[in-house]
Amino acid sequence: EVQLVESGGGLVQPGGSLRLSCTTSGFTFSRYWMSWVRQAPGKGLEWMANVNQDGSAKFYVDSVKGRFTISRDNAKNSLSLQMNSLRAEDTALYYCVRDSPPDYGDSMGDFWGRGTLVTVSS
Amino acid sequence: QAGLTQPPSVSKGLRQTATLTCTGNSNNVGYQGAAWLQQHQGHPPKLLSYRKNNRPSGISERFSASRSGNTASLTISGLQPEDEADYYCSAWDSSLSVWVFGGGTKLTVL
Repeated sequence: EVQLVESGGGLVQPGGSLRLSCTTSGFTFSRYWMSWVRQAPGKGLEWMANVNQDGSAKFYVDSVKGRFTISRDNAKNSLSLQMNSLRAEDTALYYCVRDSPPDYGDSMGDFWGRGTLVTVSS
Repeated sequence: QAGLTQPPSVSKGLRQTATLTCTGNSNNVGYQGAAWLQQHQGHPPKLLSYRKNNRPSGISERFSASRSGNTASLTISGLQPEDEADYYCSAWDSSLSVWVFGGGTKLTVL
């Protein structure tokens, strides 16, 4: 059974940092692209970033470029999101999502974690 | 970065058919198609249809996806109470190198 479990969320002050982690199991992690997607309270889905199988290719949405960094550790089957210079508008539930090659793969989002909540507030 | 366009809400009766739409451009929906996801309140999204309009294992045949040009559609036949949820489309934008989502459609089953 595929499982994605996020951790690391919490309350942080504006300008602060947080590191999210996603522990995976049930599939060969190193064969898949991975993404982070967030959802602000009562709002829709917003894709943040993804990374290819060996970590050599990474893409980000403009709103987090230069502030967030996605990374992976294939030996530990884990995905991370380092978030710096956090703003109130970054408050959201952050999901770890299994992805596929954007230009030819099936789709992003065949498996999702349950999310970890990040609250940015003073 | 502009997203995909979905109607905010659709209402249909029990056992009727609902068709949800998702409009993008030639760089996203028109490029590789759009996937569809269903989200019930308090739960993570669930993939209903891949970009090529095929269904993941375990998804009911009542959910059928298609595409015409830059517009993707999800048809849900024989509406059931459990179909009441938010529905999102997503596509890769090849010009922006980002995944984009639609704003979501809230489906109400009357």
